[in-house]
Amino acid sequence: AQSVTQLGSHVSVSEGALVLLRCNYSSSVPPYLFWYVQYPNQGLQLLLKYTSAATLVKGINGFEAEFKKSETSFHLTKPSAHMSDAAEYFCAVSNSGGSNYKLTFGKGTLLTVNP
Amino acid sequence: NAGVTQTPKFQVLKTGQSMTLQCAQDMNHEYMSWYRQDPGMGLRLIHYSVGAGITDQGEVPNGYNVSRSTTEDFPLRLLSAAPSQTSVYFCASRRQGITVEKLFFGSGTQLSVL
Repeated sequence: AQSVTQLGSHVSVSEGALVLLRCNYSSSVPPYLFWYVQYPNQGLQLLLKYTSAATLVKGINGFEAEFKKSETSFHLTKPSAHMSDAAEYFCAVSNSGGSNYKLTFGKGTLLTVNP
Repeated sequence: NAGVTQTPKFQVLKTGQSMTLQCAQDMNHEYMSWYRQDPGMGLRLIHYSVGAGITDQGEVPNGYNVSRSTTEDFPLRLLSAAPSQTSVYFCASRRQGITVEKLFFGSGTQLSVL
């Protein structure tokens, strides 16, 4: 079975501050991990994905995430928050790759950016 | 450059009514899926399809039917709507391949069942 736990349903930061959104996974095999972002009244968009290559993954809009097997974590970070980063962020896991992969999503973390 | 198109955007039903949520993609994606999003629950997979004529159940399939007669379309049917089906529904598609392809999401259908 595979699952992800996102710590904190709501994170609030000031503009220019570090963004840290936490995700821990559970998987019986080496996982594939993803972060998706959902802006208000829109569908989800892929930010970045980890597929067993480099452990530090860079995504769009200045976000990056580091895969840490020893901690079973895949936290999302951005050095300096922008107002436009306000959105809901979802971590997701798949325990298989290729054509048969199915994603299990976390419950989401709402990011608020204060001016 | 349409991507994944869902209709309608909003719908209100009475308990027991039936309806079909439409999903169409123009990217020739083999894989299509339906998720529901509920507050504090994240997204949960309802049904998915890996090609025309092939469908399978996801995590929460009860109360929903799907079919896949063409590559482009993947409608979701509620045969007898219940208040527990009040949710936001997302259709998503991707290519099938040897690599892990990203999902493309539609903009969602907000359904209320009274």
